[in-house]
Amino acid sequence: QVQVQESGPGLVKPSETLSLTCTVSGGSISNNYWTWIRQPPGMGLEWIGHIYYSGSTNYNPSLKSRVTISVDMSKNQFSLKLSSVTAADTAIYYCARQKVNYYNSGSYYVFDPWGQGTLVTVSS
Amino acid sequence: QSVLTQPPSVSEAPRQRVTISCSGSSSNIGNNPVNWYQQLPGKAPKLLIYYDDLLPSGVSDRFSGSKSGTSASLAISGLRSEDEADYYCATWDDSLNGNVFGTGTKVTVL
Repeated sequence: QVQVQESGPGLVKPSETLSLTCTVSGGSISNNYWTWIRQPPGMGLEWIGHIYYSGSTNYNPSLKSRVTISVDMSKNQFSLKLSSVTAADTAIYYCARQKVNYYNSGSYYVFDPWGQGTLVTVSS
Repeated sequence: QSVLTQPPSVSEAPRQRVTISCSGSSSNIGNNPVNWYQQLPGKAPKLLIYYDDLLPSGVSDRFSGSKSGTSASLAISGLRSEDEADYYCATWDDSLNGNVFGTGTKVTVL
């Protein structure tokens, strides 16, 4: 049973870079997409971006200029970097497997499983 | 801001039925399957419905999904106190070339 777990600093200063890591256990990071999603306190979910195990990425256009997602297959981990953070980036950050399912017209993604989430606060 | 619109909240008495709508467009719901996620208070979201109307193993059949055109719906029948949660629809958007979530709906059991 695949599980994912976020880790990283809970406090980041404005203008600095937020860095988080997601560790995959119970299965290989290979042959899957992996994703980052965030949720500001009391607000809804926002997809940040995803990475395929081979390293190809896709980012939310609204965050693309500041986001980098990478994968480390040797450690079964993938990571998120968000640069030039402001208070608006304060949120619970979730990692999840972005599983590809196929149907006759194409493919679609489901987010399953999710990590428990980690709160990152941007403050001086 | 989200491209998928949901009502902010719905409420109903125990054992009753509620329906949550998710309105999109031809570039998202109109052309791609819809998934639903349940977020219990203080917890991470969990997959509830996938491919418009399929239930993952372990999910109660009191939950059901449907889709018509550019809108999708989630129904909860036989409402229970443990169903109090936030519910989000999600799909792929061909124009944005990315995943999108609905605005979220809080379900309250009266």
